[in-house]
Amino acid sequence: QKEVEQDPGPLSVPEGAIVSLNCTYSNSAFQYFMWYRQYSRKGPELLMYTYSSGNKEDGRFTAQVDKSSKYISLFIRDSQPSDSATYLCAMIGYSSASKIIFGSGTRLSIRP
Amino acid sequence: SAVISQKPSRDICQRGTSLTIQCQVDSQVTMMFWYRQQPGQSLTLIATANQGSEATYESGFVIDKFPISRPNLTFSTLTVSNMSPEDSSIYLCSVDGPGYNEQFFGPGTRLTVL
Repeated sequence: QKEVEQDPGPLSVPEGAIVSLNCTYSNSAFQYFMWYRQYSRKGPELLMYTYSSGNKEDGRFTAQVDKSSKYISLFIRDSQPSDSATYLCAMIGYSSASKIIFGSGTRLSIRP
Repeated sequence: SAVISQKPSRDICQRGTSLTIQCQVDSQVTMMFWYRQQPGQSLTLIATANQGSEATYESGFVIDKFPISRPNLTFSTLTVSNMSPEDSSIYLCSVDGPGYNEQFFGPGTRLTVL
């Protein structure tokens, strides 16, 4: 079993729709939960992160963590064609020896 | 944020040859990381490169196959040796960001082995 599972998609939605991207994980030691966005032919860039459980909002983006279910989500409101990219969830424990573990990414396409 | 460049951006190589990928950062950093991103797969850490010491390899990756150099605090190279089609992938370098959980990535090198 992979430590982090993510549906690869592709996911195609019309412009303006609400998008929900999700990951599940198995390691209860993870404490920081991140979402990276990767445009075609580019490296991933950090979109937002959450520490432990709860919600975090940043503009049109909301990250949600449910540690009891080992489930994290990224919601995109009022989706735009510029949001079309691959979204990778990532997580890391609190130990100094921890390494970032990435999901395989979900390819998202926003149709104008 | 750090600006990272990689060379080459892409290459097509023959089986059995080797390719060296360069990573340049616009500021001095302690650690640099090399990842592999295969289609449909997670970003997988190959090794961590500290200046002045041997690189630390992750399970499944060995120095003979992926030798790494780190001659100074802004530059590193990854060599993919004796390539096979299974080495076809995107190779990315990264550096730590200011936050505990953040990394900045280069644009990647897209490698195809025939």
